[in-house]
Amino acid sequence: AQKVTQAQTEISVVEKEDVTLDCVYETRDTTYYLFWYKQPPSGELVFLIRRNSFDEQNEISGRYSWNFQKSTSSFNFTITASQVVDSAVYFCALSEGGGADGLTFGKGTHLIIQP
Amino acid sequence: NAGVTQTPKFRILKIGQSMTLQCTQDMNHNYMYWYRQDPGMGLKLIYYSVGAGITDKGEVPNGYNVSRSTTEDFPLRLELAAPSQTSVYFCASTRNRQNYGYTFGSGTRLTVV
Repeated sequence: AQKVTQAQTEISVVEKEDVTLDCVYETRDTTYYLFWYKQPPSGELVFLIRRNSFDEQNEISGRYSWNFQKSTSSFNFTITASQVVDSAVYFCALSEGGGADGLTFGKGTHLIIQP
Repeated sequence: NAGVTQTPKFRILKIGQSMTLQCTQDMNHNYMYWYRQDPGMGLKLIYYSVGAGITDKGEVPNGYNVSRSTTEDFPLRLELAAPSQTSVYFCASTRNRQNYGYTFGSGTRLTVV
């Protein structure tokens, strides 16, 4: 069965610092999809990125970047020059290609950006 | 497009009461899902549906029931509410898992007292 581990329960940094959120996954499928979602204090889930297992290219979007490494089964998320508005709970999730049963989520990392 | 709409946003139930959480999507998505989120935990799958008339259990289905009579609607029924069902419930949908992401509703915060 698939599993997603976010070992960092809570991270607190001062504004403008860089921060990396770790995500390690387990799956037996060769085709799978990895996601990151942001959950701000208001509670909604905001989609950040989707990556399929055949695309190991790292991605950068503004201050956000993602490092996908199949060799270590990791899909880490880095925020550069963090801002107070980045404060949220961030979830990593996995969807296996062979089944229809949706996303398996990690427990989330609560990121606190202090001014 | 409204996306995925969940009602109500908040609800307080007494132990033993029943209620239905509504979920509607207007994107013609085949796949729909119900998740619950407990404090400090990720989301856990309750039930899912791959199309009208087809539903299946997820990781934590006990105490819940679902139906999918139309593509648009996927209501979640709680029978005999218990304090353990106090949670935030999210509905989600996707057209095709290979090429699309998942769209989530804004959630329903349910308290059972």
